Amino acid sequence: GNSVTQMEGPVTLSEEAFLTINCTYTATGYPSLFWYVQYPGEGLQLLLKATKADDKGSNKGFEATYRKETTSFHLEKGSVQVSDSAVYFCALSDLAAGANNLFFGTGTRLTVIP
Amino acid sequence: SAVISQKPSRDICQRGTSLTIQCQVDSQVTMMFWYRQQPGQSLTLIATANQGSEATYESGFVIDKFPISRPNLTFSTLTVSNMSPEDSSIYLCSVSGTANGYTFGSGTRLTVV
Repeated sequence: GNSVTQMEGPVTLSEEAFLTINCTYTATGYPSLFWYVQYPGEGLQLLLKATKADDKGSNKGFEATYRKETTSFHLEKGSVQVSDSAVYFCALSDLAAGANNLFFGTGTRLTVIP
Repeated sequence: SAVISQKPSRDICQRGTSLTIQCQVDSQVTMMFWYRQQPGQSLTLIATANQGSEATYESGFVIDKFPISRPNLTFSTLTVSNMSPEDSSIYLCSVSGTANGYTFGSGTRLTVV
């Protein structure tokens, strides 16, 4: 079946520190992979996505590379800011396997302190 | 990508009552999804709603508790029936098929007292 395993939080970093949030997945087909972000009091927003192996998604300084060999899609940012404080969700969709919805990881809460 | 208007944004309800949540999409979409996000947890799919057919519910969710309507390709409602404090969650609708994959409503934060 389809599932996403995401690094447990919470994560607290100082401003300008390097961020990695690990995400691995299990899928029956060839999934698309996503990172969503949920800022305090707001809804889910798409941060980045990748639809096939070796694709790199990037947005707002965040990057994640679709690694089929390790079934991973780790989120990275070289220098975090206070405004990056949010909950980050890794997710997959597996349309080829008939799963039209998104499967989410548990979410990782990031707090960036000045 | 599609824009979803979801309401209410929040509500506080008495146990035993029901609340209907609405999602309006600015374009026609085939599938709409309803998720629940319990406090401090991830999103769990409740059901998938297609226009013109009954919704498909995930394991652990039943139509009597979470009836869904999908009268046309731009609108859907989710009702949380006979509420208890355990139903306190954020409920979100989502659509697929957009350029960015999936779009979410802003969520309904429900507190049952």
